[in-house]
Amino acid sequence: KAGVTQTPRYLIKTRGQQVTLSCSPISGHRSVSWYQQTPGQGLQFLFEYFSETQRNKGNFPGRFSGRQFSNSRSEMNVSTLELGDSALYLCASSRGGADYTIYFGEGSWLTVV
Amino acid sequence: AQTVTQSQPEMSVQEAETVTLSCTYDTSESNYYLFWYKQPPSRQMILVIRQEAYKQQNATENRFSVNFQKAAKSFSLKISDSQLGDTAMYFCAFMKGGGGADGLTFGKGTHLIIQP
Repeated sequence: KAGVTQTPRYLIKTRGQQVTLSCSPISGHRSVSWYQQTPGQGLQFLFEYFSETQRNKGNFPGRFSGRQFSNSRSEMNVSTLELGDSALYLCASSRGGADYTIYFGEGSWLTVV
Repeated sequence: AQTVTQSQPEMSVQEAETVTLSCTYDTSESNYYLFWYKQPPSRQMILVIRQEAYKQQNATENRFSVNFQKAAKSFSLKISDSQLGDTAMYFCAFMKGGGGADGLTFGKGTHLIIQP
């Protein structure tokens, strides 16, 4: 059974550019959530999607957005990149509902220069 | 809002010893779940153990067990017979019940080092 797959694994972007990260959840999982991990702020919740609907969003500016497709795959987008957006972005999936077993992908390393 | 506190930034023990990682949380919720995740140098977050707040019995998974003290809002992780492969960052996390929409709230983590 394939795990949570994130692409790309590593990327370098320039300030002001935008970036799109992709996440394929475990088959059968309908909930996808995103987290940002930085040395200073630790792990922070970005947003959660279930059946193509964003159900909640963390305390991040509007430059951070996401979406979920009908096959449960999800993308997150960061526009107008800032140096402080450099981080490990982690995607997690679960069946949703009453199932609280949450699995994480290996993450996408974003460096903004 | 929920908060999760891990008071031990780093711990080091000898292989085969038992080690306990501390975690406290603050919430006004009655329905919630608690987790311990392991993050090795590869940075992949691996679920170690999960505890439902409504269950009084402490969760166990092989060498890993928790001490869940609901009234004290404490959720410590005990690792028995520690192994070199247990070296990693360990994160305590909280999730409100209700379908998972609110995501996980993580502590700052404890860096556990198992010495040979």
